[in-house]
Amino acid sequence: EADIYQTPRYLVIGTGKKITLECSQTMGHDKMYWYQQDPGMELHLIHYSYGVNSTEKGDLSSESTVSRIRTEHFPLTLESARPSHTSQYLCASEEHDAYEQYFGPGTRLTVT
Amino acid sequence: QQQVKQSPQSLIVQKGGISIINCAYENTAFDYFPWYQQFPGKGPALLIAIRPDVSEKKEGRFTISFNKSAKQFSLHIMDSQPGDSATYFCAASNDMRFGAGTRLTVKP
Repeated sequence: EADIYQTPRYLVIGTGKKITLECSQTMGHDKMYWYQQDPGMELHLIHYSYGVNSTEKGDLSSESTVSRIRTEHFPLTLESARPSHTSQYLCASEEHDAYEQYFGPGTRLTVT
Repeated sequence: QQQVKQSPQSLIVQKGGISIINCAYENTAFDYFPWYQQFPGKGPALLIAIRPDVSEKKEGRFTISFNKSAKQFSLHIMDSQPGDSATYFCAASNDMRFGAGTRLTVKP
């Protein structure tokens, strides 16, 4: 069982609010990722990081930001939530060059 | 841009049958090809993976077949069980983009 945690698990917020989704891993993995996924559908890469102070945009990142100040922590921030952001957000981590990703349980976000 | 193409989108198989899911990739620099299994409400979890120096890898009822020249790889689930019902994703490193997913339903 991988030690990667996401909070909150469920969140319902109004349009225009700023939110931060938390992701933490205790495995010391260098690489971390954020994906957006509608239930049972394709995973879309939002952001990724190769280590502390490294952040890169994925395919679907224009409305969110991430930071990587500590190895274990990779929060995702939506500055102004919109109904189109309603989805599940999955965080994952990967040991350097190991290629296997460990996923957290996800945050189910609903923007009303 | 989708660098890993997966098919079919959904698959229904009878219990005891063989489930086959296919993926194709474009970038010849990819050197690791995993399959992930995802149950509803959970994150994906690594099921089985292969590197391009072998053509087949088997773990229990799950087998990956890899065709380097065709840039294709497939997941075979032998003796499919209702507990195998899940969404399956292929992926290709070094890019870690996933295929679109295949929703497998195994009927009892």
